[in-house]
Amino acid sequence: DQQVKQNSPSLSVQEGRISILNCDYTNSMFDYFLWYKKYPAEGPTFLISISSIKDKNEDGRFTVFLNKSAKHLSLHIVPSQPGDSAVYFCAANSGNTPLVFGKGTRLSVIA
Amino acid sequence: GAVVSQHPSWVICKSGTSVKIECRSLDFQATTMFWYRQFPKQSLMLMATSNEGSKATYEQGVEKDKFLINHASLTLSTLTVTSAHPEDSSFYICSARTGGDYEQYFGPGTRLTVT
Repeated sequence: DQQVKQNSPSLSVQEGRISILNCDYTNSMFDYFLWYKKYPAEGPTFLISISSIKDKNEDGRFTVFLNKSAKHLSLHIVPSQPGDSAVYFCAANSGNTPLVFGKGTRLSVIA
Repeated sequence: GAVVSQHPSWVICKSGTSVKIECRSLDFQATTMFWYRQFPKQSLMLMATSNEGSKATYEQGVEKDKFLINHASLTLSTLTVTSAHPEDSSFYICSARTGGDYEQYFGPGTRLTVT
């Protein structure tokens, strides 16, 4: 049973446009959500997080939105840059439990 | 800050041998360390959670006698793949967390190839 789902395995966006990556979760106990960026043969790099008491968190070009009633979160990248091309993982946990990851979405930003 | 290193970054070994992978938190004390495994084009699958000074907690389906985890200090955890087989070939990633911190800081990963 996959508790964190990223239903789009890949996404292509033109440079300068907005990238929207989506993530759904099923475990209502999750109260902290994170997005990681990963290049091939490297470990994930933390991007941005959001706690369940918020519905939006912004950091530069990255904004994460959380819709608790829909159990859905999204990562917006604007403007998208070629260097943003990577695999993006959504992750969630509650308390001190380990992170549970989605399968990732490969973002390609085309110049 | 919050840097995690892994060594080696890449290892090739023969079937039947054992391989040890080290995970170190360089600038913080990691009360909890996690070991993940990633197959190509798949998610990171949690293998085990280890707390300093105690036995690791393994996820269902992970053989604890095959994947030996030691977390002897607040800055070092090791994963030993014993009697490795070709199906153990994978990308192994560790992460570390300080007490009370939600975030996990990931190492760069170790690619294991068993021939």
